[in-house]
Amino acid sequence: GAVVSQHPSWVICKSGTSVKIECRSLDFQATTMFWYRQFPKQSLMLMATSNEGSKATYEQGVEKDKFLINHASLTLSTLTVTSAHPEDSSFYICSARSQSRDSTDTQYFGPGTRLTVL
Amino acid sequence: RKEVEQDPGPFNVPEGATVAFNCTYSNSASQSFFWYRQDCRKEPKLLMSVYSSGNEDGRFTAQLNRASQYISLLIRDSKLSDSATYLCVVNGGSYIPTFGRGTSLIVHP
Repeated sequence: GAVVSQHPSWVICKSGTSVKIECRSLDFQATTMFWYRQFPKQSLMLMATSNEGSKATYEQGVEKDKFLINHASLTLSTLTVTSAHPEDSSFYICSARSQSRDSTDTQYFGPGTRLTVL
Repeated sequence: RKEVEQDPGPFNVPEGATVAFNCTYSNSASQSFFWYRQDCRKEPKLLMSVYSSGNEDGRFTAQLNRASQYISLLIRDSKLSDSATYLCVVNGGSYIPTFGRGTSLIVHP
């Protein structure tokens, strides 16, 4: 299947700092990428839909000024957690949408970034 | 009613058993359906797509019932390595994926 990379895989930072997470589709172009957050023993929660060349669409309850998303190219989307606080500690996962010849959409996930804010 | 619902389990089965999971969805306009597998502290990985005609991949069989709005996953001859959380994913008309909470499977010796 298609490959999506995510960097960094884990990060520990002090409260108040900003953290940038990169999501790359390595062998396909992704006009749409998704950012999820997952707390322990809970389901994936969609945070926002990132569209190449346009503003991201945020889910209800997700602060767009706190979670900045940039999708500057067809293979790269970034999520910046600004002024991170301990409650932002979570597993952040991106996915990229790949469209096959039969127009079926499949999501391929990055390996995730585990963020711990002290 | 949640858009995508799954029994969280856990399903605790012995090696070699056959186990089935169901997932119901509320949006009748949903276009595509998938089963993902997620291991602890890892990202979800695509297990299989679910087609209207159903599809089979080795020990795994997925089926779609549009009339009743559910999809199913059947695992035959369970292995220890099948222990994981199985996520049902439904793409609506806007192709934004909606995840179920996942069903936990534990296969024991």
